[in-house]
Amino acid sequence: AQSVAQPEDQVNVAEGNPLTVKCTYSVSGNPYLFWYVQYPNRGLQFLLKYITGDNLVKGSYGFEAEFNKSQTSFHLKKPSALVSDSALYFCAVSANAGNNRKLIWGLGTSLAVNP
Amino acid sequence: KAGVTQTPRYLIKTRGQQVTLSCSPISGHRSVSWYQQTPGQGLQFLFEYFSETQRNKGNFPGRFSGRQFSNSRSEMNVSTLELGDSALYLCASSLEGAWGNTIYFGEGSWLTVV
Repeated sequence: AQSVAQPEDQVNVAEGNPLTVKCTYSVSGNPYLFWYVQYPNRGLQFLLKYITGDNLVKGSYGFEAEFNKSQTSFHLKKPSALVSDSALYFCAVSANAGNNRKLIWGLGTSLAVNP
Repeated sequence: KAGVTQTPRYLIKTRGQQVTLSCSPISGHRSVSWYQQTPGQGLQFLFEYFSETQRNKGNFPGRFSGRQFSNSRSEMNVSTLELGDSALYLCASSLEGAWGNTIYFGEGSWLTVV
């Protein structure tokens, strides 16, 4: 079965420190990978995506993510965290295989950046 | 360019009633997807419409239904509401389809069933 895992329900980092939010996946075919962020009481906002090409993808608000095919991972990173980065982060994956074209979502990781 | 607009933003319904939620996608977007978000279950995919046709469907009971109009606006309906239907319902639009394109979310409709 195709799945996406965000192994950490919550990540806590100090402001100014690097942050990593993890995502691993299990899908057939070549995956398309996405990160979205949700601020309190808001809808989700697109951060970045990997379709093909360079494994390191840069996105909004200084975030980046690295696609690792061998480890089937797509971890979200930022060199220096801000308090305003505190939010809920979702990883999503879709596989370009046959007619199964649904996005598969992780359960989300709550990021808390402490001043 | 206007974003995805969902109405109403907040509503309270009684168990057994039915509710209709509306979504206006970004202009030019033909795909509209609906999600249910609850604290314990994360984002659960309800269905996707593309050019007035349901293209994908999640694992929800038949009480949950939707439709899309010729102008790409979409509605979802939940009949015979249950307490467990209390959730944030999110609509998302994209140009061609949710599976491979960036999707843009609305602010959501908060449904409370009492």
